[in-house]
Amino acid sequence: EVQLVQSGAEVKKPGESLKISCKASGYNFPNYWIGWVRQMPGKGLEWLGIIYPGDSDPKYGPAFEGQVTISADKSITTAYLQWRWLKPSDTAIYYCARPFMGGGSVVRIDYWGQGTLVTVSS
Amino acid sequence: QSALTQPPSASGSPGQSVTISCTGISSDVGGHNYVSWYQQNPGKAPKLLIYEATKRPSGVPDRFSASKSGNTASLTVSGLQPEDEADYYCSSNADTNNLGVFGGGTKLTVL
Repeated sequence: EVQLVQSGAEVKKPGESLKISCKASGYNFPNYWIGWVRQMPGKGLEWLGIIYPGDSDPKYGPAFEGQVTISADKSITTAYLQWRWLKPSDTAIYYCARPFMGGGSVVRIDYWGQGTLVTVSS
Repeated sequence: QSALTQPPSASGSPGQSVTISCTGISSDVGGHNYVSWYQQNPGKAPKLLIYEATKRPSGVPDRFSASKSGNTASLTVSGLQPEDEADYYCSSNADTNNLGVFGGGTKLTVL
């Protein structure tokens, strides 16, 4: 059974750094893209980016290049989402997601993590 | 502002049918059959409901059906049940973004 288990909720101050994680199990981790979807309070879904753990090649959404870093450690089947400098506007739920890809593009999202709430407030 | 346009809300009584639309442009919904729909219950992660515009994953009741015509995709929930009350999101491949784009979501209320 495919499972994506995310790290717990975080409360941070503006300017702080943060790295959240997503532990994958039940499939061959290096061979499937995995990524992060943001849901701001009361809002819709947005892709931050995806990564192919086999070669750690990330692709970022247009609004997120340079804002976050997505990485993966295939030795422990874990994906990460990292900020160097948090802003209050980063407050959101972040979902780990395993997409099904076709022709180099996301076709659908088959599996989701439970979500990690990140709150950034002074 | 989301790339795909959905009505913010929809409603229906138990047993009725309701249809939710998802409007894009020729470079996303209109140009691809990789439209998917997700159901999100309060406090939960989204769940795949429909993929490739019309297909249901195993385990999704056949009360949920979908179609696509031109730049608009539609999700129909037939025989509404109280547990169908949730947020529904569409998504599509897009020529300009290989991660795809989402709609803003529709809150379905079962009266």
